[in-house]
Amino acid sequence: NAGVTQTPKFQVLKTGQSMTLQCAQDMNHNSMYWYRQDPGMGLRLIYYSASEGTTDKGEVPNGYNVSRLNKREFSLRLESAAPSQTSVYFCASRYLLAEYFGPGTRLTVT
Amino acid sequence: KNEVEQSPQNLTAQEGEFITINCSYSVGISALHWLQQHPGGGIVSLFMLSSGKKKHGRLIATINIQEKHSSLHITASHPRDSAVYICAVRPITGNQFYFGTGTSLTVIP
Repeated sequence: NAGVTQTPKFQVLKTGQSMTLQCAQDMNHNSMYWYRQDPGMGLRLIYYSASEGTTDKGEVPNGYNVSRLNKREFSLRLESAAPSQTSVYFCASRYLLAEYFGPGTRLTVT
Repeated sequence: KNEVEQSPQNLTAQEGEFITINCSYSVGISALHWLQQHPGGGIVSLFMLSSGKKKHGRLIATINIQEKHSSLHITASHPRDSAVYICAVRPITGNQFYFGTGTSLTVIP
């Protein structure tokens, strides 16, 4: 099992560009999550999906959209990137009370 | 307002020292997690606790539900233990985890 995978690992964008961060899990988990991690702050929830076909906003959803394509995949889209979205992004899946994290995507917006 | 507070923020220790990292939280929880994040690396779950104490190798995690407090101990610390340790809680209600800001540990040979 690969667990939770994310692509890309690194990305540099110019302000205003768009991109999609991909996440997939092979553990057949219903719940999936997108977090961002910034220096001096804890992980903050952007969006989550409790099950296939449903998505909900987390703590910091502005500037992002998500798609739960199927049970395996949960993508995060930045329609018009801003420097404030420079961060490390983590995808996670959850089974019962246990959380499994992907390796992260380091995004820089210039 | 931080639902989860960790201390210390930074910690430097000599190899072999006993290390304690503390986590206090303000909400009722169904579980508490200790996570490890190596520099440039992903996040790994070390422990999930809802009561008592768990031990894995040189790592020990304890939780006091009444006092809303957990500790992570590392015995006989080693440079490879250098990482950021994050406390996270799952509230009784709602879907969201709350995360501490992490404790950055450096173990010097």
